[in-house]
Parts: sequence; structure tokens; C-alpha cells
Amino acid sequence: GAVVSQHPSRVICKSGTSVKIECRSLDFQATTMFWYRQFPKQSLMLMATSNEGSKATYEQGVEKDKFLINHASLTLSTLTVTSAHPEDSSFYICSASLQDSYEQYFGPGTRLTVT
Amino acid sequence: AQTVTQSQPEMSVQEAETVTLSCTYDTSENNYYLFWYKQPPSRQMILVIRQEAYKQQNATENRFSVNFQKAAKSFSLKISDSQLGDTAMYFCAFMKLGGSEKLVFGKGTKLTVNP
Repeated sequence: GAVVSQHPSRVICKSGTSVKIECRSLDFQATTMFWYRQFPKQSLMLMATSNEGSKATYEQGVEKDKFLINHASLTLSTLTVTSAHPEDSSFYICSASLQDSYEQYFGPGTRLTVT
Repeated sequence: AQTVTQSQPEMSVQEAETVTLSCTYDTSENNYYLFWYKQPPSRQMILVIRQEAYKQQNATENRFSVNFQKAAKSFSLKISDSQLGDTAMYFCAFMKLGGSEKLVFGKGTKLTVNP
């Protein structure tokens, strides 16, 4: 089946620094990738949708200058949390979908802790 | 905007028994998909079952089946012969077709299967 990886699986960074999370589709080309945020014991909230070679579409309330998304190739999307603060600590999950497919394949998630 | 409601924050069931998880949704769209995802303690999102709104027949995947009532906007998940490995968070999700293929998730139901 389609496999999506994320790196790193967990990261701890200091307040004010930036951290990059990678999302890769390992055995398929993903025309669209999605980034979600999940707080403890809560549901997944979509942050943004990215299509290869174009700018990401952010959901209402998500700061595009804080959460930079790059989808440079059909197998890689990155989320950079800039000037991270403790309130950015969360579980970040990406998913990827094939062209003309409505199924999303999820990565294993990245736990970000900002100290 | 679409909303998905899961009214049962937690449920428990004895091993080998049957349990039904509830989900209702609100939309004015006619073409959409509905999904049930499982998130075990590992936090990897796993697709359990998918239902196309245009299909009247309820989807079935082994021990998992749905009761899709389009007029009532209800989409419940039945798990038969519950197994310990079914213990997880279960999320109901909605996707409008013909758009950006975004998933809208419910808040989830934590299911515990007891031995």
C-alpha cells in the first residue's frame, strides 16, 4: 500500500527557534499533501493543503508566516514552524493523496515540544 | 461549512461482542464521501472504512460495517467480534467531492475493548 513517512518523529526545540518537519510519500507521487495538528485527546485540525509546485492553502486562523509549507516535489512536503513558542507544542500529522484519488494516506506524525 | 458530530466521547465493549459508534454530519452537499479512521496508541491514522454518498449499499470491511442513512445524515460504525487490537480512538470524517478533498473530522470516540 501507499506509505507516508515523517521526519523527525519527535523533536524538542527552544522557544524562538525554527523547526522543520518533512513528509514524504515513499512509493507514490502525491499531488496533494495535507498538514494537520492534533492536541492531546483532541481531533485532527487541518492546517493547510499543499499542491506540488504551488502555494499552500491555509485554513482560517492558521498563520501562514508562522507555519511555512513547501511542496517542492511530488514526494516531499515540509512544514517549518518559525519562531516556535510553547503553545506550538503539539502533534503534527501529514497526509498525502494520489491524483484523482480521494483516499488520504497518513504519516506517523511528529511530536513537537517547545521549551 | 460541514460539521461532523460524534456524541460518544468514550465507549467500552467486551472482547468478542459487538459495538456501534455513532456519527452524524451536517452538509448541504450531495456528493461526498464518509470515512471512519482508527488511531491506536501509536497515533498512526488507519482507514477503517469508506462510504460513497451516492451508494445506497452500506460499506463492509470484514468485521467492520456501517449504517449509512443519507436522509438522516447519520453514519454509524459497527464492529463485530471485537478484538483487543480494536482499542483505539475512532474518528468519523467527511469529504466533499469536487473540491480540495479536505477531510473534516469529528472529535472522536475512545473505544476500549476489555478482555
